[in-house]
Amino acid sequence: DTAVSQTPKYLVTQMGNDKSIKCEQNLGHDTMYWYKQDSKKFLKIMFSYNNKELIINETVPNRFSPKSPDKAHLNLHINSLELGDSAVYFCASSPLRGGHPDTQYFGPGTRLTVL
Amino acid sequence: AQSVAQPEDQVNVAEGNPLTVKCTYSVSGNPYLFWYVQYPNRGLQFLLKYITGDNLVKGSYGFEAEFNKSQTSFHLKKPSALVSDSALYFCAVNYGGSQGNLIFGKGTKLSVKP
Repeated sequence: DTAVSQTPKYLVTQMGNDKSIKCEQNLGHDTMYWYKQDSKKFLKIMFSYNNKELIINETVPNRFSPKSPDKAHLNLHINSLELGDSAVYFCASSPLRGGHPDTQYFGPGTRLTVL
Repeated sequence: AQSVAQPEDQVNVAEGNPLTVKCTYSVSGNPYLFWYVQYPNRGLQFLLKYITGDNLVKGSYGFEAEFNKSQTSFHLKKPSALVSDSALYFCAVNYGGSQGNLIFGKGTKLSVKP
């Protein structure tokens, strides 16, 4: 019954490594998102994606890349991890209603720690 | 530029008293406004939203919010606070476009004491 799920829940890794976080939604939603929540709890959009368009927040380093194998999945790949990448990453999804984006539903988050 | 402000880092309320968590916004066009709650070590849970229509919006767990266009505010309210309401509350605005990206406020920590 999980709506938006993410794996892993915790990820501890060394600087310079490459890692991926997976996200799946079983809500049939059209659009998926990745957000970053920093140590001060501030939330910031990283990417949004539907089957037609990828929008990238211009402040996101190109070491971060979303990959969508199908409509229900949006995975986040991170290359050459840096200390500053340590944060909680949230996946979300939303339907389109009447051509407008509707409520976003969030996954439980992945806490990434870069050592 | 689109923005959301939550002027209070923390709100302290006694159980049973009414609570208000403030939010103001700046957005061009008609805003889509949302409130989310985050419990410790959990994801964000949707509480309520304003898209159009009645300015008073009712949501989950007895929360409501009033959209005030002239004051560009969307304050979250509850008539009687519970200890279990203690959490981090985020106001967010959809800054438009087909993707519906949300801009979040910095969050307000609500602490309800018995």
